[in-house]
Amino acid sequence: GDSVTQMEGPVTLSEEAFLTINCTYTATGYPSLFWYVQYPGEGLQLLLKATKADDKGSNKGFEATYRKETTSFHLEKGSVQVSDSAVYFCALYDGSARQLTFGSGTQLTVLP
Amino acid sequence: DAGITQSPRHKVTETGTPVTLRCHQTENHRYMYWYRQDPGHGLRLIHYSYGVKDTDKGEVSDGYSVSRSKTEDFLLTLESATSSQTSVYFCAISEDGVKEKLFFGSGTQLSVL
Repeated sequence: GDSVTQMEGPVTLSEEAFLTINCTYTATGYPSLFWYVQYPGEGLQLLLKATKADDKGSNKGFEATYRKETTSFHLEKGSVQVSDSAVYFCALYDGSARQLTFGSGTQLTVLP
Repeated sequence: DAGITQSPRHKVTETGTPVTLRCHQTENHRYMYWYRQDPGHGLRLIHYSYGVKDTDKGEVSDGYSVSRSKTEDFLLTLESATSSQTSVYFCAISEDGVKEKLFFGSGTQLSVL
């Protein structure tokens, strides 16, 4: 079945540091890929998505590129802020399953 | 922000008691979902609905039932709560299904003692 593997956290960075959160997936078809973010005490929010190979999703300074050859969708940001502290979830949608498959989440803490 | 309200926000109950969680939306979205969030597992789908009285099982549906008698309300019932159902429960809605954007509620923290 479909699965998503995220780098284990927690990740702690200083403000303005470069961020990478790794995400790899297993799927039988050609899934759509997503990054969701969960701020403390809140529900998840869609951060960005990509629907086909080589697409780049971007939002709020975050980027992720759909790499079919490495089955990856790594999240990056050039300069993190304290306000980026949250849990980040990678997810995929395989049309045949009609549901999202989430990774286990990566806790990011950014220190001033 | 999408209009999604989950109630209650927190609940403590005892093993063997029935529990119902409510999700109410004001967006008139067709699709509604119930997820549970547990450490190390991310979010796992319990049940979902694709219309009034139309529901289907998700990945972890055992021990749970749902009902949707109105577009705006989606109820999750634990018929006889167990300690393994201690979790944070999230409701989500979508206009076009999971392939597009999901909007999540703020969650219900349920503790089964």
